[in-house]
Amino acid sequence: GQSLEQPSEVTAVEGAIVQINCTYQTSGFYGLSWYQQHDGGAPTFLSYNGLDGLEETGRFSSFLSRSDSYGYLLLQELQMKDSASYFCAVRDKGGATNKLIFGTGTLLAVQP
Amino acid sequence: EPEVTQTPSHQVTQMGQEVILRCVPISNHLYFYWYRQILGQKVEFLVSFYNNEISEKSEIFDDQFSVERPDGSNFTLKIRSTKLEDSAMYFCASSKTSAEQYFGPGTRLTVT
Repeated sequence: GQSLEQPSEVTAVEGAIVQINCTYQTSGFYGLSWYQQHDGGAPTFLSYNGLDGLEETGRFSSFLSRSDSYGYLLLQELQMKDSASYFCAVRDKGGATNKLIFGTGTLLAVQP
Repeated sequence: EPEVTQTPSHQVTQMGQEVILRCVPISNHLYFYWYRQILGQKVEFLVSFYNNEISEKSEIFDDQFSVERPDGSNFTLKIRSTKLEDSAMYFCASSKTSAEQYFGPGTRLTVT
C-alpha cells in the first residue's frame, strides 16, 4: 500500500523553529511537496523537493532523503499566522499527470 | 496573481441527485485534477486530466463520476447519483508542469 506518516499535532511558540517530519512508502516517487491548509481552505503550495537535499524559500525550508524515504519541513521565526495544518504529499510517478498522494497532516499550533 | 476558482462554494443536494462542480483552472496550465477531503481527513486524489482526456483515476472515481473540459476555460466534475458518503470538500487543482499544483478554494458538498 501507499502511506505517508506525519505527527498529528505540533505546538510551538512565536519566534521558535519547528520541524515537521514525513516518512513515506509509495509505489512510485518523483518528489515530495509540502502544502499548508488553514481551517479546511485551499491547500497552498509551500515547497517541493525533487532531489535530495535542502530547499529554502524564505522562512520555510524543506529537506528530502530519498534513500531514507524521509523528508521534513522546517519553519523558522514562527508567527501566529503559521497556525495551520501542514501536509506532505508525494508526487507519484505514474501517468503523465503525477498525482499527489497526501499525508495525514500535522496540525501546528503557534502560541504567543 | 492568477488563481484557480471554483463554484459553487457550497452545494447541498439530496441523495440520488446529480451535481456538477465547476472549476476554472489557471489559464496557461495544462494539467487538471480533482481531489476531495472528507471533514477532518487527508486530501485524496480523484482524477487527473491532460490533453483532453483522463490521465489517471483513483478507486474512488467510479462510474458515478465524470469530468469534462467543455471549453477552453472550464473543468467540471459531475456526480451522477450522489450518496451520503460523497459529502466532502472537493478541490480542483491545476499545474503547468505537474510538479507544482495550485488548488482552488473548494466546493463543500453536503448530501442529505
